[in-house]
Amino acid sequence: GEDVEQSLFLSVREGDSSVINCTYTDSSSTYLYWYKQEPGAGLQLLTYIFSNMDMKQDQRLTVLLNKKDKHLSLRIADTQTGDSAIYFCAGRGTGGGNKLTFGTGTQLKVEL
Amino acid sequence: ETGVTQSPTHLIKTRGQQVTLRCSSQSGHNTVSWYQQALGQGPQFIFQYYREEENGRGNFPPRFSGLQFPNYSSELNVNALELDDSALYLCASSPGATNEQFFGPGTRLTVL
Repeated sequence: GEDVEQSLFLSVREGDSSVINCTYTDSSSTYLYWYKQEPGAGLQLLTYIFSNMDMKQDQRLTVLLNKKDKHLSLRIADTQTGDSAIYFCAGRGTGGGNKLTFGTGTQLKVEL
Repeated sequence: ETGVTQSPTHLIKTRGQQVTLRCSSQSGHNTVSWYQQALGQGPQFIFQYYREEENGRGNFPPRFSGLQFPNYSSELNVNALELDDSALYLCASSPGATNEQFFGPGTRLTVL
């Protein structure tokens, strides 16, 4: 089955850019997603990218996809304290009921 | 537009008991997926319901079962609770079986 890996922790200063990385194993993943989870809350869909795209930009968010290396990244420009949360990448494959396979999450801490 | 809602928000049960968790999907969404998120982990797919039929299942035992109703709301039932079932249970709805999933706030289940 799919395996999705992320680094556990990232700390940045307010106003800097944050880059959160993710690697996945299933090359048949058709869509790759980024979700944000604040303490005690559910998951908020931030953005997604289709597997035939290399890049997608959505306001402060930029997603880069390297299919050859099975590497996905999320760049947050001008990071704010409100961006502090856990960020999950998830892949959706072609079978198994449209399930999402999540990484373990990256905790982003934004310092003043 | 009302988002995905779940009830109850918190629940405490003892080992061996049974529990039912509820989810109301977002308006216009006919697909509901359930995920289990253990502390410090990413969500794990339990199963998905599409138009009242199970449409895929993750690696969970049969004591995890579900239903979807004609209004597309859903229930997750867990029998013979074990300590390891303690987790945040997340429900996600989508406008179709292959569309992006929008998550509710979750139900925190504690098994003593």
